[in-house]
Amino acid sequence: KQEVTQIPAALSVPEGENLVLNCSFTDSAIYNLQWFRQDPGKGLTSLLLIQSSQREQTSGRLNASLDKSSGRSTLYIAASQPGDSATYLCAVGTGANNLFFGTGTRLTVIP
Amino acid sequence: EAGVAQSPRYKIIEKRQSVAFWCNPISGHATLYWYQQILGQGPKLLIQFQNNGVVDDSQLPKDRFSAERLKGVDSTLKIQPAKLEDSAVYLCASSLVDGGTEAFFGQGTRLTVV
Repeated sequence: KQEVTQIPAALSVPEGENLVLNCSFTDSAIYNLQWFRQDPGKGLTSLLLIQSSQREQTSGRLNASLDKSSGRSTLYIAASQPGDSATYLCAVGTGANNLFFGTGTRLTVIP
Repeated sequence: EAGVAQSPRYKIIEKRQSVAFWCNPISGHATLYWYQQILGQGPKLLIQFQNNGVVDDSQLPKDRFSAERLKGVDSTLKIQPAKLEDSAVYLCASSLVDGGTEAFFGQGTRLTVV
């Protein structure tokens, strides 16, 4: 069964810093990996989707990488802003199009 | 493009009562999911539909939970009778039918069982 782990569980950084969130998974037979953002009391907002054949995806200040063979993905956030404060979840997509989620990293960007 | 719609947003019920949640996926999305997210945890899949057929319901507590997707569009998730441990956010998501496509989530329904 696929297990997804996210480290750290919580992270506080001053505004303007670059930061990296980590995600690891146990079964490398994946279709894709998706990063989501979740604000308190809200649903999930899709940030980036990386197909299994891709190494990275970029959207604005966000860059996600995927190393399938080692079971790892990172989400890089450049020049962090207070509005980036949220919980970031990674989810691994399997052949059945099911998503296995990590427990998330709670990010606080301090003004 | 309209997103995934869910209702109600919040629900408080007493244990042993029943409750139902509704989801309307993005138009044209054949795959629909219901996830349960307990506070401090990542979402866990309860059931996955493709059109109006069930693909995966292996983690659905079938003694108390049921779900249906009539006509391959809207879906309802029901809990009867509810237990305290069912307190969670129930998230609905949809995606195109092909494997490897992006999933889009609704705002969720926060259920509190007292």
